[in-house]
Amino acid sequence: NAGVTQTPKFRVLKTGQSMTLLCAQDMNHEYMYWYRQDPGMGLRLIHYSVGEGTTAKGEVPDGYNVSRLKKQNFLLGLESAAPSQTSVYFCASSYQLFGSGTRLTVV
Amino acid sequence: DQQVKQNSPSLSVQEGRISILNCDYTNSMFDYFLWYKKYPAEGPTFLISISSIKDKNEDGRFTVFLNKSAKHLSLHIVPSQPGDSAVYFCAATSGTYKYIFGTGTRLKVLA
Repeated sequence: NAGVTQTPKFRVLKTGQSMTLLCAQDMNHEYMYWYRQDPGMGLRLIHYSVGEGTTAKGEVPDGYNVSRLKKQNFLLGLESAAPSQTSVYFCASSYQLFGSGTRLTVV
Repeated sequence: DQQVKQNSPSLSVQEGRISILNCDYTNSMFDYFLWYKKYPAEGPTFLISISSIKDKNEDGRFTVFLNKSAKHLSLHIVPSQPGDSAVYFCAATSGTYKYIFGTGTRLKVLA
């Protein structure tokens, strides 16, 4: 039982590149969330999902897309990375159980 | 518009003393509040929560107090231990499955 797993743990991107962050949970939880953590800003909700096949916007959705094709996976996509997206990204499932984070740097 | 605010970015407390972390909110629809602890390079971990129908919830050394009229909650840690040194986030939800987090308070417990 791994809980909430995020891959990759670290990534450096060049401006304009695209990438997908994967979040996987093995607890059969309905809800999944993507947050970003920035200094002085706390945790801000990017997108969330209340079930397989459904997604919704959070506080800071611009520049990101998500998909929840399978209940256990929640993908966060950056189509054209910008330096402002340099952050630590956390995924969480129901009851706000968090993964260990992905540190993304956009240069 | 910051709906959940933690106005103290940092706090230092002597080991064995009480740590009090504060959180204010503006949305009167919030009905459930949580506290999380976060160590460097780790995800936040759930600490304690409180429903709006209560004004106090206790779990070992951790107690959360809720003052609905003031839209204020606080986390008390007694006695504080060096292992409690971390960043603490408060969060709130109104039953919409969306959680709004504060900006965090970095607690340092001095041995």
